[in-house]
Amino acid sequence: QSVLTQPPSASGTPGQRVTISCSGSSSNIGDNTVNWYQQLPGTAPKLLIYSNNQRPSGVPDRFSGSKSGTSASLAISGLQSEDEADYYCAAWDDSLNGYVFGTGTKVTVL
Amino acid sequence: EVQLVESGGGLVKPGGSLRLSCAASGFTFRSYTMNWVRQAPGKGLEWVSSINSGSSYIYYAGSVKGRFTISRDNAKNSLYLQMNSLRAEDTAVYYCARGDSDSSAYYAPDEYFQHWGQGTLVTVSS
Repeated sequence: QSVLTQPPSASGTPGQRVTISCSGSSSNIGDNTVNWYQQLPGTAPKLLIYSNNQRPSGVPDRFSGSKSGTSASLAISGLQSEDEADYYCAAWDDSLNGYVFGTGTKVTVL
Repeated sequence: EVQLVESGGGLVKPGGSLRLSCAASGFTFRSYTMNWVRQAPGKGLEWVSSINSGSSYIYYAGSVKGRFTISRDNAKNSLYLQMNSLRAEDTAVYYCARGDSDSSAYYAPDEYFQHWGQGTLVTVSS
């Protein structure tokens, strides 16, 4: 049902770089900013990136976001075991007149 | 410290009603947009509804429009979600989240959810 598509899973070994894609359309990512949320098991989501590439205070600079056209990406460099979590992109959708979340990506640290 | 505490969840039969509350503290509640986001068991996040600071802009997801009503009481620092005609597919943890933006004027597409509550579980089952 989600209009933002993410790969269901991604993985890497400690220290590696992992990238998560988020594919949308002209009515959401193409026209509005993208935010990323991290959800550790059993906890509430946490804002990771806002306005495409801005990090809130306290978020390590290992996390970075980018946007191009109707797609966005989240990169985690120097992967650490505590990065094992679910990651969601989100954006406003002009056609639906509401926010939409991505399908979510589970990141596993091997 | 920003705190958001949801309450009011529980078990309700299909077709029933429930009212969720979110008590806010640690910030000037009347100045911020507030939101409800839900997560069905084992599923992803789904935005439910948003209300701006003055209650003049209200938005709903298509899946709840006509059944759910969002409201707020700025004098009580509280956000509410009245849920009617509940269905099994409404079963989820419901989070309240504060909307933040770098813009001085309200513009929904610019908002992001920086602060979240711990969630309250709503189970719709006979």
